[in-house]
Amino acid sequence: DAKTTQPTSMDCAEGRAANLPCNHSTISGNEYVYWYRQIHSQGPQYIIHGLKNNETNEMASLIITEDRKSSTLILPHATLRDTAVYYCIVRVEAGNQFYFGTGTSLTVIP
Amino acid sequence: KAGVTQTPRYLIKTRGQQVTLSCSPISGHRSVSWYQQTPGQGLQFLFEYFSETQRNKGNFPGRFSGRQFSNSRSEMNVSTLELGDSALYLCASSLMGNEQFFGPGTRLTVL
Repeated sequence: DAKTTQPTSMDCAEGRAANLPCNHSTISGNEYVYWYRQIHSQGPQYIIHGLKNNETNEMASLIITEDRKSSTLILPHATLRDTAVYYCIVRVEAGNQFYFGTGTSLTVIP
Repeated sequence: KAGVTQTPRYLIKTRGQQVTLSCSPISGHRSVSWYQQTPGQGLQFLFEYFSETQRNKGNFPGRFSGRQFSNSRSEMNVSTLELGDSALYLCASSLMGNEQFFGPGTRLTVL
């Protein structure tokens, strides 16, 4: 039932920006896009979320396309500790469910 | 502010037994959601409780049940355990059901 599509894996050089794409072509007008990451079977960690506008916090930036059918999570200066599985999630407004897809396994290379 | 806590962290059971897992949400949070994570199926939503009421339920058999107490603490129960129930069980709390904060999980092994 996942409503997002992400690449299975990506590599990124340490210190460079990591750009993680996500497609959510069936997103509806009141659904938010959330990003979480999970490091080595720990509990997922919240990163950022947005509705229409681009968002930035101390961890990352979220760029949402104008038609809202896709988004990109940007880690501006990736470190080895950013190696994790990153999940892009569309929140179902009515049910408050989070559908986690398979995520993107990001490996930051020294 | 303390995070979400889950007990126990590790558990070993045998087929046919039942198990109860506990989750204490962040203070003030009224919504608690439960997830099952397995290598084959990934993270799957079990159910969500808000103010002691089950607000939503995923696609799991009736052997999986839960409840929430007046202090927002939540328990989930799995009866008649099967080998396939071996998984990491994650609890997440949120203020109103929006941004969710996850606990470290309970690793259940069914032998």
